[in-house]
Amino acid sequence: GAGVSQSPRYKVAKRGQDVALRCDPISGHVSLFWYQQALGQGPEFLTYFQNEAQLDKSGLPSDRFFAERPEGSVSTLKIQRTQQEDSAVYLCASSLEPSGKNIQYFGAGTRLSVL
Amino acid sequence: LAKTTQPISMDSYEGQEVNITCSHNNIATNDYITWYQQFPSQGPRFIIQGYKTKVTNEVASLFIPADRKSSTLSLPRVSLSDTAVYYCLVGDGAGRRALTFGSGTRLQVQP
Repeated sequence: GAGVSQSPRYKVAKRGQDVALRCDPISGHVSLFWYQQALGQGPEFLTYFQNEAQLDKSGLPSDRFFAERPEGSVSTLKIQRTQQEDSAVYLCASSLEPSGKNIQYFGAGTRLSVL
Repeated sequence: LAKTTQPISMDSYEGQEVNITCSHNNIATNDYITWYQQFPSQGPRFIIQGYKTKVTNEVASLFIPADRKSSTLSLPRVSLSDTAVYYCLVGDGAGRRALTFGSGTRLQVQP
């Protein structure tokens, strides 16, 4: 595709519900990243995939957060038993290769509101 | 990862040149300096990247002094559409892949 695509753009969940956020990276991009952005703050790293391998998940805030990229392309970020503090914009980014200058291309994000 | 410091906000007028300076005193030898731009309701967008001296593309210029402890993003003749948050990041190309964003500089361009 032309860019990184994320769906849905907006998600409203009741506290305790499970949600799944989807990311379609740029075709052929090896690396995929998830970030969380709170209102008025810069994005914060959650997790990183190289192809289907999850190489870094140090930023996931709790075991309620789970990400996968089973075929090395589309990725899903799942949040179980959502809490109000999970309300944020979730950004996905991809980059062409795992080495080099690490230029990342971001999607527009999914805005999650937990009521 | 090297920490960056940049102004919280800046104001400018259409047609002016805007320079945003970022401090990164602990930059490592193999770190690149990268700037991203973010509009409301959008993800960050890569603007420019450099290692030393000067880099210029169709959007901006990046000036990096010899000691590389700071860098300046220069936006020539800004327009209203340049109103955005600008992030300065440093990191190496072969190590940890996660980008570390600070709070950025909120640029407001007035007519």
